[in-house]
Amino acid sequence: DAGITQSPRHKVTETGTPVTLRCHQTENHRYMYWYRQDPGHGLRLIHYSYGVKDTDKGEVSDGYSVSRSKTEDFLLTLESATSSQTSVYFCAIRMTSDSDTQYFGPGTRLTVL
Amino acid sequence: AQTVTQSQPEMSVQEAETVTLSCTYDTSESDYYLFWYKQPPSRQMILVIRQEAYKQQNATENRFSVNFQKAAKSFSLKISDSQLGDAAMYFCAYIATNKLIFGTGTLLAVQP
Repeated sequence: DAGITQSPRHKVTETGTPVTLRCHQTENHRYMYWYRQDPGHGLRLIHYSYGVKDTDKGEVSDGYSVSRSKTEDFLLTLESATSSQTSVYFCAIRMTSDSDTQYFGPGTRLTVL
Repeated sequence: AQTVTQSQPEMSVQEAETVTLSCTYDTSESDYYLFWYKQPPSRQMILVIRQEAYKQQNATENRFSVNFQKAAKSFSLKISDSQLGDAAMYFCAYIATNKLIFGTGTLLAVQP
């Protein structure tokens, strides 16, 4: 257990509304990641962070923004949700002391109607 | 392009039997890590096993072992003495330049 929580765990929202998902970790890891999981695609990287206020884009970053003002929190924001953003979202931390292994939070199921 | 390919979308195994899940990847790097993750119906992503590319010895974790062929860029997972609790989606992945690249997964069914 890498001490990762995600909130909310489930959310239903309407097209055009803003949505923020939160990832919280308790072990002071430098690297944090946001992925989305869709059928037939596995997990795809949205954004990642390598420190407070340091973030970079992944392969599916369009329509998403992130922020990291504290080491323990990594926020994912959908500024104006679309139905194509209906997905399961996973947060992960990377343990550089453990062969760069990534450990995942429980996931958030987001439905955009 | 850095890619991971799992060519078996679904597989089935009898309880107590052995099954092998295939994974190939493409990278130009010489040093990297490879992983197998398990995702049961609970949706939680669980690390099964990992392999450092610079190590020639294949990793083993209890009933799980890998066959790592660096030259062939192949990283298969062998599950011995399959149990009902092994039924899940299995993802192969490798880490490259801070990013974990996933395959599309293999859904494993275990028949009693």
